[in-house]
Amino acid sequence: QSVLTQPPSVSAAPGQKVTISCSGSSSNIGSSHVSWYQYVPGTAPKLLIYDNNKRPSGIPDRFSGSKSGTSATLGITGLQTGDEADYYCGTWDTSLNAGVFGGGTKLTVL
Amino acid sequence: QVQLEQSGAEVKNPGSSVKVSCRASGGTFSDYVVTWVRQAPGQGLEWMGGIVPVFRSPIYAQKFRGRVTITADAFRSTVYMEVSSLTSEDTAVYYCARCYSRSSGHGDGMDVWGQGTTVTVSS
Repeated sequence: QSVLTQPPSVSAAPGQKVTISCSGSSSNIGSSHVSWYQYVPGTAPKLLIYDNNKRPSGIPDRFSGSKSGTSATLGITGLQTGDEADYYCGTWDTSLNAGVFGGGTKLTVL
Repeated sequence: QVQLEQSGAEVKNPGSSVKVSCRASGGTFSDYVVTWVRQAPGQGLEWMGGIVPVFRSPIYAQKFRGRVTITADAFRSTVYMEVSSLTSEDTAVYYCARCYSRSSGHGDGMDVWGQGTTVTVSS
């Protein structure tokens, strides 16, 4: 059972928008920055969002992040088939004194 | 641009240990947080622990304390992660990753990743 809760799966059609939620508590999301990763098993995870809403260079603005209280959200617009992957949120937990990830969300682009 | 190169795949017997290395090239490394993350078959990403090589003070997830050792050789720009008392549940792909800035803390975003090292534990 992950400390951060994500929906197991989401789906949408090409060109549409999707959001992925990440729910935590005051000891993690509520007090630390959130990052989002795109992961295709067998390849290295890719950082999409850091510090809640910042994009590393090279990440298109189709990807966005937000945080409110103890929850965070990843948004993806203009979905492409290449966006099919697993998406993970991550942050620091001050009670555990450790990094934590969500359980991951599998995105299917129909 | 910094790149992280990990050591090759390992097959280990239950009860043994494995040591995986992560060497940086092409950029700075020693004063950044370097984290180890694993992904077991059918499971999600799991944060294991991290270190800032120049400070050599690792931290670990509770689950791995006492069984995982993270060390660093800043001169060689290399971080190591050793797992002892291996069981089949340690079969996974292990990744090292560097946080995005020198001011990043453990748990912050990681933008440079190694290619992953597959560790298989089987008798």
